[in-house]
Amino acid sequence: EVQLVESGGGLVQSGGSLRLSCAASGFSYSNHALSWVRQAPGKGLEWVGRTRNKANSYTTDYAASVKGRFTISRDDSKNSLYLQMNSLRAEDTAIYYCAKSTVRGVIIYYFDYWGQGTLVTVSS
Amino acid sequence: QSFLTQPPSVSAAPGQRVTISCSGSKSNIGNNYVSWYQQLPGTAPKLLIYENDKRPSGIPDRISGSKSGTSATLDIIGLQTGDEAVYYCGTWDSTLGVGGVFGTGTKLTVL
Repeated sequence: EVQLVESGGGLVQSGGSLRLSCAASGFSYSNHALSWVRQAPGKGLEWVGRTRNKANSYTTDYAASVKGRFTISRDDSKNSLYLQMNSLRAEDTAIYYCAKSTVRGVIIYYFDYWGQGTLVTVSS
Repeated sequence: QSFLTQPPSVSAAPGQRVTISCSGSKSNIGNNYVSWYQQLPGTAPKLLIYENDKRPSGIPDRISGSKSGTSATLDIIGLQTGDEAVYYCGTWDSTLGVGGVFGTGTKLTVL
């Protein structure tokens, strides 16, 4: 059974930093791309970014709204995904989900499994 | 900025059929596969349809998807109260610097 478990969310002041983690199990982690998707309270889904697998040099892409502030990394030896968030703003307040992603080339085809999410609240 | 437009809400009675539309452009739906997700209250999204019209194992065949040009459609027949949820379409936008995009979401109410 595929499982994705996020952690690390919490309350942080505007301008601060936070690091989220996602522990994965139940699939061949190193072979797959992974993404972060967020959802502001009462709002829709927003793709944050993704990392591809080792075969694709762990390349990363980001949404324009977080580029330069957020960094995605992964540790295949620990089956873990990370999201380092710096210079946080009130509009970054959201539930952050990690999602196993099916990718062809640079294109994400779909997100087939999602974690339960972790809440990040940025106070101004 | 929302790249994919969905109706805010749809409703129908149990047993009826409902259609949810997702409108995009050439740079997203027009040139890439569409997926659909169901989000029940208080839970994470769940994949319902991938690559326009394919169902993951465990998704019943009363749920179907299609794509034509720059639009996609999710159809649910034989509505059940358990289908009440928010539904999102998703795809990739090939415009430089955009990436993954989702629809605005549609709240399905089963009357």
